[in-house]
Amino acid sequence: DIQMTQSPSTLSASIGDRVTITCRASQSVSSWLAWYQQKPGKAPKLLIYKASSLESGVPSRFSGSGSGTEFTLTISSLQPDDFATYYCQHYNSYLTFGGGTKVEIK
Amino acid sequence: QGQLVQSGAEVKKPGASVKVSCKASGYSFISYDISWVRQDPGQGLEWMGWINPLSGDTASVEKFQGRVTMTRDSSINTVYMALSGLTFDDTAVYYCARGMISSTSWYYFDLWGQGTLVTVSS
Repeated sequence: DIQMTQSPSTLSASIGDRVTITCRASQSVSSWLAWYQQKPGKAPKLLIYKASSLESGVPSRFSGSGSGTEFTLTISSLQPDDFATYYCQHYNSYLTFGGGTKVEIK
Repeated sequence: QGQLVQSGAEVKKPGASVKVSCKASGYSFISYDISWVRQDPGQGLEWMGWINPLSGDTASVEKFQGRVTMTRDSSINTVYMALSGLTFDDTAVYYCARGMISSTSWYYFDLWGQGTLVTVSS
């Protein structure tokens, strides 16, 4: 099975910061990667699919990039609503989630 | 568009079974597979398996095979996930999610239920 590793596991940032989260796959997943945001007690919410396609209704400050084994989720200017945990998920062959990155207030 | 609404929290004893429902609305129920995703307390997300609401076909990950049963009732746009032989390790939030299939035949999930907490306690 393809393993997905996110880094960092926790990130402390301030409002207005540019934030980058990395997701690495143990083997190539092409561009078959999604990103989700999850807030405490809530279901995950789809942000990005196919590595860089923004889901409808998601603010444009969120962007995704990468292909193969290395991917990034970038928040261009962190807003109060963005403090949450973020997960990547590949869907190349089978599907697995990364371990998550918690974005905290600095 | 669309909504998935799950049944309420459950408390079960070890060895018992639980059945969680997921009712779809606002889209064509038979057009999208539904998956179940588990989240252990304070942990990440774990995909359990899927059901095709049109055919009733299912598949589950090896970890849950023999213990999980996924069914559907198309007359009320509802899918169900039953888990038997519960242990304390099955205490988790269980989500249903609508799968957006890709050309790889695998999914990302664009619509999620609100989650159902299953607590296994003696």
